[in-house]
Amino acid sequence: EVQLVESGGNLAQPGRSLRLSCTASGFPFGDYAITWVRQAPGKGLEWVGFIRGEAYGGTTEYAASVKGRFSISRDDSKSIAYLQMNSLKTEDTAVYYCTREKTGLDYWGQGTLVTVSS
Amino acid sequence: DIQMTQSPSTLSASVGDRVTITCRASQSISVWLAWYQQTPGKAPNLLIYRASSLQSGVPSRFSGSGSGTEFTLTISSLQPDDFATYYCQQYSTFTWTFGQGTKVEIK
Repeated sequence: EVQLVESGGNLAQPGRSLRLSCTASGFPFGDYAITWVRQAPGKGLEWVGFIRGEAYGGTTEYAASVKGRFSISRDDSKSIAYLQMNSLKTEDTAVYYCTREKTGLDYWGQGTLVTVSS
Repeated sequence: DIQMTQSPSTLSASVGDRVTITCRASQSISVWLAWYQQTPGKAPNLLIYRASSLQSGVPSRFSGSGSGTEFTLTISSLQPDDFATYYCQQYSTFTWTFGQGTKVEIK
């Protein structure tokens, strides 16, 4: 069974950093791109970025709203993807989902809440 | 970035109704479009990929069509489980974008 489990969500002050983890199981992790999507309270979905699979060099792409502040990495030996979030802003407050990308985002984690507030 | 605009933002319908949601892209995305359903407190669920391909396990009352800049999601006969919010998402370029969502409410 394919599973994605996010962790690391917490309360952080503006300007601080937080790292989220996405632990995967039930599929060959290295073969898939992993995408992060967020949803602010009461709002719609926002694509954050993704990291390609090993076959595509594990390269990354980011939304303009997080480029230069967030970075995505992966450890295929542990089947974990990370979202490093630096210089956090109040508008980064959201539930963060990690997803598997095949043709569309076919599996999603349950999400982890990040609250940025002083 | 490519902008995705859904219409309507809210739709009131009854069980058994045929429902159509439209998604327009600010530039051509060929067929690189997906549709998702989200119920409150849950993660989204993939319904349609590549504009018209039904994801495994999704009921056949859901269908997608379109190419280029205009796309539709149709629910042929609305069921109680279908009252939810629906999002389109383009994956034509290296930066992906979602539509703002369409909430399907009970009439």
